[in-house]
Amino acid sequence: GNSVTQMEGPVTLSEEAFLTINCTYTATGYPSLFWYVQYPGEGLQLLLKATKADDKGSNKGFEATYRKETTSFHLEKGSVQVSDSAVYFCALWVSGSARQLTFGSGTQLTVLP
Amino acid sequence: EAGVVQSPRYKIIEKKQPVAFWCNPISGHNTLYWYLQNLGQGPELLIRYENEEAVDDSQLPKDRFSAERLKGVDSTLKIQPAELGDSAVYLCASSFKVGNTIYFGEGSWLTVV
Repeated sequence: GNSVTQMEGPVTLSEEAFLTINCTYTATGYPSLFWYVQYPGEGLQLLLKATKADDKGSNKGFEATYRKETTSFHLEKGSVQVSDSAVYFCALWVSGSARQLTFGSGTQLTVLP
Repeated sequence: EAGVVQSPRYKIIEKKQPVAFWCNPISGHNTLYWYLQNLGQGPELLIRYENEEAVDDSQLPKDRFSAERLKGVDSTLKIQPAELGDSAVYLCASSFKVGNTIYFGEGSWLTVV
């Protein structure tokens, strides 16, 4: 089946620090990969996505590269801000019979001023 | 353009009472999803509609949960009777069609006491 494994949180960083949140996946088929962000009290927002190997998704200073050889889609940001404090979810979608997003368990990020 | 709209945002009910959540997807989106998000976990699909047809409801607990999307636009998710373990966030999402980017609403936060 399909599954997503994220690094466990919580992650606490100082402002302007470098961020990496690890995400690996297993999939039956060729998935599209996503990062969603959930700010406190809000629903999920799509942060970035990549649909094929070696694609790099980017948005708001965040980046993630689809690595088929390591089945990974790690989220990175060079300099985090307090406003980036949120829960980050890695997810995959495989066309075919499943046809649903499969999410990781989420990683809580807190950025301190 | 309006996003996915859900109501109510917050609901507190006593166990054994019924509760209903409403969702209006993004205009023109044919595919509608209901996800369940337990505290500290990623969302899990309950049911997926393509237009008015429920095409994947395998994870919907049918003894107490029901859903409908009568005219292929807005949708209602009902729980009757609610149990303590149903306390969670119920997320509605939509996409233009299966395989396109999925957009989430802010969620309906249910507390059963």
